[in-house]
Amino acid sequence: QSALTQPASVSGSPGQSITISCTGTSSDVGGYNYVSWYQQHPGKAPKLMIYDVSNRPSGVSNRFSGSKSGNTASLTISGLQAEDEADYYCSSYTSSSTLDRVFGGGTKLTVL
Amino acid sequence: QITLKESGPTLVKPTQTLTLTCTFSGFSLSTSGVGVGWIRQPPGKALEWLALIYWNDDKRYSPSLKSRLTITKDTSKNQVVLTMTNMDPVDTATYYCAHSTRGIPDYFDYWGQGTLVTVSS
Repeated sequence: QSALTQPASVSGSPGQSITISCTGTSSDVGGYNYVSWYQQHPGKAPKLMIYDVSNRPSGVSNRFSGSKSGNTASLTISGLQAEDEADYYCSSYTSSSTLDRVFGGGTKLTVL
Repeated sequence: QITLKESGPTLVKPTQTLTLTCTFSGFSLSTSGVGVGWIRQPPGKALEWLALIYWNDDKRYSPSLKSRLTITKDTSKNQVVLTMTNMDPVDTATYYCAHSTRGIPDYFDYWGQGTLVTVSS
C-alpha cells in the first residue's frame, strides 16, 4: 500500500509553532477520523501523541494538537522546545488495504 | 501498568525463518478490543506495519509480506509470536510490538523497546 506523504523535514526555533502535514486520499485520511501521530526520539520506541485526528492521550502536553482538512491531517506543536526534536510519523486507518492502516514516511523536526 | 518486550535472535542468516516473541503484562489478549501489533523500522528509515492480532483472533497482515508472515497468540502466556520466513538482508530492522485497546480502527498506546534483527551470512 502507498504510504501517507509527509515532509521529510521541518524546523523551528524555541517558542515558535510548527505544523507537520500528512497527506493521503479519500480512502484513508480524508475518509475517516482515525489519524494518529507518533513521536520517536533517536534510538527510542515511538510514542503516541495524537489519536483520532485531534485527541491527546493522558500525559501528552497540550502544546501538541491535531487537525484535519480534506485529505490532509496536521500535527501542530506550539511553544517549541528542544525536547520536541524528534521524528514524527502519522498513521491512518485505510479502506484500501487488508491491513487497515498505513504509516507516513516520517518527518524530522529540528529545533534550531 | 502495561509493558511489552520483544525477544528473539539478533542475527539471522538469509533464507532462515525469524521467530520473534512479544511478552506483555498489564493487560490480557482475551479482553474485548485488545490487540497487539508488530511494526518494523529499517535503520534510518520509516516505520512499517507488519501484522496484528486481536482478542477475537482476528489477524491482519501487510499485503506485501503476507506470504511470509504468521502471527499467533498464547493468551495463557501473555505472548504474541511473529514468524517471518525466507529472511533477506533488506529485512534488517528494529522490530517493535505494540498494544491497542479498541479494535479496528485502533491506535497503539504502548510500545515495546524494540529488538534489532540483522540479516547477514
